[in-house]
Amino acid sequence: ETGVTQTPRHLVMGMTNKKSLKCEQHLGHNAMYWYKQSAKKPLELMFVYSLEERVENNSVPSRFSPECPNSSHLFLHLHTLQPEDSALYLCASSQDWAGGASYNEQFFGPGTRLTVL
Amino acid sequence: KQEVTQIPAALSVPEGENLVLNCSFTDSAIYNLQWFRQDPGKGLTSLLLIQSSQREQTSGRLNASLDKSSGRSTLYIAASQPGDSATYLCAVFSSNTGKLIFGQGTTLQVKP
Repeated sequence: ETGVTQTPRHLVMGMTNKKSLKCEQHLGHNAMYWYKQSAKKPLELMFVYSLEERVENNSVPSRFSPECPNSSHLFLHLHTLQPEDSALYLCASSQDWAGGASYNEQFFGPGTRLTVL
Repeated sequence: KQEVTQIPAALSVPEGENLVLNCSFTDSAIYNLQWFRQDPGKGLTSLLLIQSSQREQTSGRLNASLDKSSGRSTLYIAASQPGDSATYLCAVFSSNTGKLIFGQGTTLQVKP
């Protein structure tokens, strides 16, 4: 596997279910990101992890719980979601996270299409 | 707060036509501007990245321009092909926040 991979590619869940999205990067990067892409809306940054530490949380509801056990893996744990949470969830990675101090190119995975019934 | 707008939201053209996609942004404090391609239900593929000090970048039939002072960028696609059908996203990398800020995209359909 190369680049950034995400599993599952498609997920359908009820509002009372608990599920997890997985992201893995094979690029040796130190920073990983979760984005949400809803229909007709721009990609929204959800979380940023740098060296396994969360450095950004963009006011995301607590029903979304990220986890970064090591620099290659990132999870998004989902519980008691709402239908409006249905979206494409994209993971990305970059060499480092420097805030606004410098640029680090982000590489994106193929996404998980989530449907909440 | 940085906002990125893309016009038009959708575009349908016959094969072979040259076309221009537009992107505007409100804050000139950027490191660079990037154009991505997204196929339905798929992730993002980077097409072109223009540094804030550059005016344009070219790759094959694609040419992207950047006018940072006016907050505008264009993506020019020459001799369009059905395989170019996709959503094109514009994103700026903010030097204030270190975040990629995306526009809503332009969905392009090239008809054979």
